[in-house]
This record gives sequence, C-alpha cells and structure tokens, in this order.
Amino acid sequence: DGGITQSPKYLFRKEGQNVTLSCEQNLNHDAMYWYRQDPGQGLRLIYYSQIVNDFQKGDIAEGYSVSREKKESFPLTVTSAQKNPTAFYLCASSGSGTGIGYSNQPQHFGDGTRLSIL
Amino acid sequence: GESVGLHLPTLSVQEGDNSIINCAYSNSASDYFIWYKQESGKGPQFIIDIRSNMDKRQGQRVTVLLNKTVKHLSLQIAATQPGDSAVYFCAENASGGSYIPTFGRGTSLIVHP
Repeated sequence: DGGITQSPKYLFRKEGQNVTLSCEQNLNHDAMYWYRQDPGQGLRLIYYSQIVNDFQKGDIAEGYSVSREKKESFPLTVTSAQKNPTAFYLCASSGSGTGIGYSNQPQHFGDGTRLSIL
Repeated sequence: GESVGLHLPTLSVQEGDNSIINCAYSNSASDYFIWYKQESGKGPQFIIDIRSNMDKRQGQRVTVLLNKTVKHLSLQIAATQPGDSAVYFCAENASGGSYIPTFGRGTSLIVHP
C-alpha cells in the first residue's frame, strides 16, 4: 500500500548533537512538508518542498535543515542550534490537484517521530 | 498572518450521541477545507474535505458544513463511538496562495462508554 514512512519512531539527542529524521513516501507526491507538534498545540510548519532540489522555510525553520534530492525522500536534520528540540515531528506529502498548485489536495501524514533530549 | 481556530478545546460526549466540532477561519480567500483526526501517538488522518463551492458534504457517519458568510466550518459525527476519541483538526487553504494549509489548534473529543 502507498503511504508515508517516518523513522525512527523515537529518537534521543545528546547535547551538541545533530540528528536526522527520515521521511519516505511512495505516493508519487510532488510536495512534502515537515511539521513540529508540541503538547496541546497545533502543527507548526518547519520546511516544505514542492519539487525535487527545492525547498522553502516555514514558520519555525531556525535550527533545522532539510534536503530534497529525491522525490520520495525529505529528511529533516535537527541541529545543535535548535535549543528546544523536544517535540513530535510529523512529515506530510500532497499531490498536485486540478487547477493551480497543490491547494486543493489533502496532506497525507506519517506516524511521526518523537524526539527527546538525553 | 491569517488564522484558523477552534471554539472548544475539549468536547466530552456519551457513546451514541452526535458530536459537533466547530472551527472558525479568518482568511476570506480560503476555498478548500479539510478535517483531520489524530489519535494519540499517530499522525493526522484525513477524514473529509469540502470546497468553497459547496456548503455541505457527507461521508460515512460524518458531515462537514461550511458557512462562508460567517467563516465557520463544522464537523458532525453521528452516533459517536469510543473509537472516535481523538483530536480533530481543521485546516484551510487558498488557491493562488502559498498552497500551505493553515491548521487550527485542535479539539479533543472524548467519548464516554
């Protein structure tokens, strides 16, 4: 079945360490997104990519980096510059709808990675 | 920026009752709306969507109503079951914009057996 796979499910980061969260999709979607979710909060956009080799910052990009070398993959690196990385990270993808861009298609989400500090 | 919000952060209902979850949006250019369900420890799942050329859409046990005049969206769940317990998010999007949906904070639905 098609879907989005995030790994690992749980991840622990040491002080000063960079960690990378994996996101893979086999839905043939052009657009991919990373969100951060804190307890009792909505989804905040970190980065998004609408096409391979291109990505844009979201609302809270500081301390994070991404790459989009393949259509299927959109890894997120949480760098040591991110001072409060403990959160639930969600990856999503969406396809092109009819008409303009991707605005009329729902996003498909992975089951998240929970990142904690050691 | 524009915002999407929910009127009630928590909704408690008895099994078998109908549930109504509300959402207000402020971007008058929004023309596509989505409801998601998020169970504990999982990612959001798509439930139902509606485009601005409609004011009602029905799915299996769920109905979404859109009132563009007052910028209000609601999700109705018929005969609520314990398995419906989750956080429900609305999201809005606008054609010709950034194509990035704006999510509300979410409403926690608790179904008591």
